Amino acid sequence: QITLKESGPTLVKPTQTLTLTCTFSGFSLTTSGVAVGWIRQPPGKALEWLALIYWNDDEHYSPSLRSRLTITKDTSKNQVVLTMTNMDPVDTATYFCAHSFGSAYYPPYDYWGQGTLVTVSS
Amino acid sequence: DIVMTQSPDSLAVSLGERATINCKSSQSVLYSSNNQNYLAWYQQKPGQPPKLLIYWASTRESGVPDRFSGSGSGTDFTLTISSLQAEDVAVYYCQQYYSTPLTFGGGTKVKIK
Repeated sequence: QITLKESGPTLVKPTQTLTLTCTFSGFSLTTSGVAVGWIRQPPGKALEWLALIYWNDDEHYSPSLRSRLTITKDTSKNQVVLTMTNMDPVDTATYFCAHSFGSAYYPPYDYWGQGTLVTVSS
Repeated sequence: DIVMTQSPDSLAVSLGERATINCKSSQSVLYSSNNQNYLAWYQQKPGQPPKLLIYWASTRESGVPDRFSGSGSGTDFTLTISSLQAEDVAVYYCQQYYSTPLTFGGGTKVKIK
């Protein structure tokens, strides 16, 4: 059974750095073809893909946020960490991590965490 | 970036009737080498994460009721709910996984008439 859970601060101040952790179970990020991605959703708005990391350490980022994002993995802890620098109120959103696996190079997300709401405010 | 445009933004359908959601990509998501469309559909209910319904444009994810079907190719896609049930009230998103940045449509809210 695959599960993912996001954790991190619920409130950050503008200009601060956000660090979110995705702790997962039921799969290994050492298995060929597996990836974990981060997607966010501002309140009442659509989904926005942020970044993903593969079993082989390959990383991909949203070009519009590339300069602010870093994604890393700790396979021994079954965790993926996303950091986002220079937070702004427009970054207020629910942040999801999700699992993907399949024959496509960027497979769709078949398991999602419940998400964590991050509010950016002074 | 591949822009995904969904229509309508919302629709109200009577129970048991058909619901049709459209998704258009700004460029083809059909990969010629394997003739697959890199298009997925998700369902999101209030307070929940998205749920994968369909991938490869028309393949149902395991456990998804067969009243949900996907069709289309290239740049134009459709999600059809053949007989709307009360539990289908949700926002539906299309997503292309042809290239990064992965992109989602703006969502279509399905309500009961």
